[in-house]
Amino acid sequence: EAQVTQNPRYLITVTGKKLTVTCSQNMNHEYMSWYRQDPGLGLRQIYYSMNVEVTDKGDVPEGYKVSRKEKRNFPLILESPSPNQTSLYFCASSPWVSGGNTEAFFGQGTRLTVV
Amino acid sequence: AQSVTQLGSHVSVSEGALVLLRCNYSSSVPPYLFWYVQYPNQGLQLLLKYTTGATLVKGINGFEAEFKKSETSFHLTKPSAHMSDAAEYFCAVSGGLTGGGNKLTFGTGTQLKVEL
Repeated sequence: EAQVTQNPRYLITVTGKKLTVTCSQNMNHEYMSWYRQDPGLGLRQIYYSMNVEVTDKGDVPEGYKVSRKEKRNFPLILESPSPNQTSLYFCASSPWVSGGNTEAFFGQGTRLTVV
Repeated sequence: AQSVTQLGSHVSVSEGALVLLRCNYSSSVPPYLFWYVQYPNQGLQLLLKYTTGATLVKGINGFEAEFKKSETSFHLTKPSAHMSDAAEYFCAVSGGLTGGGNKLTFGTGTQLKVEL
């Protein structure tokens, strides 16, 4: 079954404690990205990757890091989480098509609470 | 830059009534437009998309949307609402060069409530 898998689904952590949210896709997609969803703001892109070892900032990258060492995996790293990073996070993947004419597949989401 | 405006953060309809969720976009390049649905505690699922060609697009679960370039709109409709349609709906646009071209810019979402 084609899918994007995120882990964990739920996470409560304390300010400053480094954490990683994993994302894996089994569709051989080139393009992967992370979004955060906040009430009244919709989804906003944090980081994206067009292929292995190619990553770039999205609209709200502050406080986050990513890496793309393998095509299927795209972990999101919070080096020193703060309460304003409490949010619902989604990983998405799609074939890379110039111009964006392609469907994105989303993971189930990770609800992060930073206290 | 691209942007999406969804009018109405909450829409309530009766079961069997017409569903109309509004979406207007702004784009400096020909847009690709999407509607996604999010059920509680789930990820986003594609309902339908407009890329090129026919401006009336049919999607899953009886939904359809019409691309109107002159109005910069991509409203989502369904003739008869069902209780199972209760969810949050997001309109999104992609295209251009930002985010490697595949970046989706989302609206703020519309929560659809279906009442008996």
